[in-house]
Amino acid sequence: DGGITQSPKYLFRKEGQNVTLSCEQNLNHDAMYWYRQDPGQGLRLIYYSQIVNDFQKGDIAEGYSVSREKKESFPLTVTSAQKNPTAFYLCASSSAGGRTEAFFGQGTRLTVV
Amino acid sequence: SQQGEEDPQALSIQEGENATMNCSYKTSINNLQWYRQNSGRGLVHLILIRSNEREKHSGRLRVTLDTSKKSSSLLITASRAADTASYFCATSPPDSNYQLIWGAGTKLIIKP
Repeated sequence: DGGITQSPKYLFRKEGQNVTLSCEQNLNHDAMYWYRQDPGQGLRLIYYSQIVNDFQKGDIAEGYSVSREKKESFPLTVTSAQKNPTAFYLCASSSAGGRTEAFFGQGTRLTVV
Repeated sequence: SQQGEEDPQALSIQEGENATMNCSYKTSINNLQWYRQNSGRGLVHLILIRSNEREKHSGRLRVTLDTSKKSSSLLITASRAADTASYFCATSPPDSNYQLIWGAGTKLIIKP
């Protein structure tokens, strides 16, 4: 049963903490993406990766970091440098970047407490 | 760097009626894609239309693309309560193989 899995579904972060959001796919896709969505807004690109061990900053990369050590996995770390991290985070993958459809995980809702 | 702009921002119609949403964009594209997002969930791909195509159908969905006007429309016929969701367009620029540029979405409410 192929798909893309994000965990956890809900995450709470204290001030000054780093937290890591998990994203795993078994679709054998090369491209993976992290987006941030704020209420009533569209998607803003944080980072994307075209292949293993390579990733590129998106429009709002400041305060975030990623790694791509395995094709299946693209974790996102929200660092303490991200001053307004409360948002809905979506991970996606595709076989040929923007040339084909993207498959999305169910999202992680991060809240600062 | 949002390129797509959906119109209207919100749409409320009776079940059984048709719903039309529009997307305008600023630069040339390789393709344009429509996605649906139920509240608090991930996005689901609906249709991809390439720049050399003018119309595509999928079940009750019809998408048109007018590259001269840099616009696309998504028509949902015979709407159902389950169609209640936000709908987003995303464009793939020709100078980037890997990026999609997203609009802010249209929130569609189907009243039973």
